[in-house]
Amino acid sequence: NAGVTQTPKFQVLKTGQSMTLQCAQDMNHEYMSWYRQDPGMGLRLIHYSVGAGITDQGEVPNGYNVSRSTTEDFPLRLLSAAPSQTSVYFCASSSEREPRHLSYGYTFGSGTRLTVV
Amino acid sequence: DAKTTQPTSMDCAEGRAANLPCNHSTISGNEYVYWYRQIHSQGPQYIIHGLKNNETNEMASLIITEDRKSSTLILPHATLRDTAVYYCIVRVARGTASKLTFGTGTRLQVTL
Repeated sequence: NAGVTQTPKFQVLKTGQSMTLQCAQDMNHEYMSWYRQDPGMGLRLIHYSVGAGITDQGEVPNGYNVSRSTTEDFPLRLLSAAPSQTSVYFCASSSEREPRHLSYGYTFGSGTRLTVV
Repeated sequence: DAKTTQPTSMDCAEGRAANLPCNHSTISGNEYVYWYRQIHSQGPQYIIHGLKNNETNEMASLIITEDRKSSTLILPHATLRDTAVYYCIVRVARGTASKLTFGTGTRLQVTL
């Protein structure tokens, strides 16, 4: 089924380790983004991309890097994991150029639950 | 993007209509109102959006006041599966900077 696929679903890291959270979509969406969600809080935007080769910072970008070499993939890299990065991470995509259609909204992945110890 | 204000939580009996309010008094003319929901730590799910006219789809109805400073999401016949956190978001029109800013939302509890 078409959608946004995130891997892994769960991950435990030690402080200082690096890792990449993967996000892929097969809907040919131009826009992709990463959010983090902490207990009792809404989602906060980390980074986003409006197309291949274009990325920009969101609300909480520090400690994270992104790249967008293809339309389909938007990986999120943690350079040196810290306990403060323990969170659930959601990737989302959207087509900004389709006319009125359900996918005019954002499609979210099922999330990656990350724990940094 | 304009800021939104929603009640922290609401209860609704199963089978009844759930009316979820949202204030967005600083909304500007090119900002749409979006509603999403998040069920038990799953990824948020798009529900509906609108600019100034009332909208209806297979999931819900969206009522936007004439001055656009507030809106109401209506789930006409709430079920237990509608228990979720509902987010009201306003953002600029498509084709421009595309960021969704989430608040803390309304936790809707549907009960028997």
